[in-house]
Amino acid sequence: EAQVTQNPRYLITVTGKKLTVTCSQNMNHEYMSWYRQDPGLGLRQIYYSMNVEVTDKGDVPEGYKVSRKEKRNFPLILESPSPNQTSLYFCASRTSDSRGTDTQYFGPGTRLTVL
Amino acid sequence: QQPVQSPQAVILREGEDAVINCSSSKALYSVHWYRQKHGEAPVFLMILLKGGEQKGHEKISASFNEKKQQSSLYLTASQLSYSGTYFCGLPQGYGQNFVFGPGTRLSVLP
Repeated sequence: EAQVTQNPRYLITVTGKKLTVTCSQNMNHEYMSWYRQDPGLGLRQIYYSMNVEVTDKGDVPEGYKVSRKEKRNFPLILESPSPNQTSLYFCASRTSDSRGTDTQYFGPGTRLTVL
Repeated sequence: QQPVQSPQAVILREGEDAVINCSSSKALYSVHWYRQKHGEAPVFLMILLKGGEQKGHEKISASFNEKKQQSSLYLTASQLSYSGTYFCGLPQGYGQNFVFGPGTRLSVLP
């Protein structure tokens, strides 16, 4: 089954304790993204990656890191989480298409609470 | 820059129609529509491309006005299952990031 998986699904942590949210896709997609979703603000892109070893900042990258060492995996790293990073996070993947016809597939989401 | 969606929320009875609009200050070359149910991930509905090509959903249609930089999603004879938040999403270009609108919450009542 084609899917994007994320772990963990729920996480409660404390300020400053480094954490990693994993994301994996089995569709051989080149393009992967991380979004955060906050009430009234919709989905905002944090980082994206066009392919292995190619990453770029989205609209809200501050406080986050990513890496793309393998095509299927795109972990999100919070080196020193703060309460304003409490949010619902989605990983997504899609093919790269210069016409913009590619469909994004979203993971189930990770609800993060930083105390 | 984030696209603008209207209305912010709409409440319908089963069988009624709704239109959700998405507009951008930047030139568009495609528009994506997604639906998200509470507590779930967004799900792809439809893509609209320049030149009028559409790919998507069997009971939902949409239009794309390139000159006005707008897209509209038409939900006809709404069903309870249509309830959710609808997002338009705009690729910013090949190799560029993807920007979503703030969403329109649709509630369909029996």
